Amino acid sequence: AQKITQTQPGMFVQEKEAVTLDCTYDTSDPSYGLFWYKQPSSGEMIFLIYQGSYDQQNATEGRYSLNFQKARKSANLVISASQLGDSAMYFCAMREPTDSWGKLQFGAGTQVVVTP
Amino acid sequence: DGGITQSPKYLFRKEGQNVTLSCEQNLNHDAMYWYRQDPGQGLRLIYYSQIVNDFQKGDIAEGYSVSREKKESFPLTVTSAQKNPTAFYLCASSIDGQDRTYEQYFGPGTRLTVT
Repeated sequence: AQKITQTQPGMFVQEKEAVTLDCTYDTSDPSYGLFWYKQPSSGEMIFLIYQGSYDQQNATEGRYSLNFQKARKSANLVISASQLGDSAMYFCAMREPTDSWGKLQFGAGTQVVVTP
Repeated sequence: DGGITQSPKYLFRKEGQNVTLSCEQNLNHDAMYWYRQDPGQGLRLIYYSQIVNDFQKGDIAEGYSVSREKKESFPLTVTSAQKNPTAFYLCASSIDGQDRTYEQYFGPGTRLTVT
């Protein structure tokens, strides 16, 4: 069964506008971690932001914030004031204690294109 | 600078040949991982290792093998038994493979093409 679902295969956003990338997850463990990564066309994966299942507040890192709705099992990434350099593939991922914490399970990703 | 290096960036092989992808990290991380990425898809875990001389199969381990003789190194061998080896391979590491809070740092990847 799919653990991480990203329903938006691609989206366009104008420079300086905010964009929200959707991510829903499926787990029965009360303790888990949620991550967002950025993958530019060069291929490397860049860590953006982390949210723990017990964290009371939504995570923020500069222009990135995570809209964490635990009851809905939703962890949407918000990028404020988009820049041309934000054009990339964005992946949501989850770690849970099943089989230790070794696995990071990824969604299929959302391609973001920022236009001038 | 600390980081993860993968070599080579592009690799071409003939069908039926084994090939080894290199992954080295100088971050002093305990845990290391290998992922495979196919076009338009997310990453899938091949193997991971939480300490030296120990490793576990991920979701798609068939046709692959690994070793972890040193903390810094986690090479991946793509064997001739792997049916569709052409893909982008990413190596990653994290401080601790036992804690949900630690992010994984990724190398630049190796793009393998088998013809």
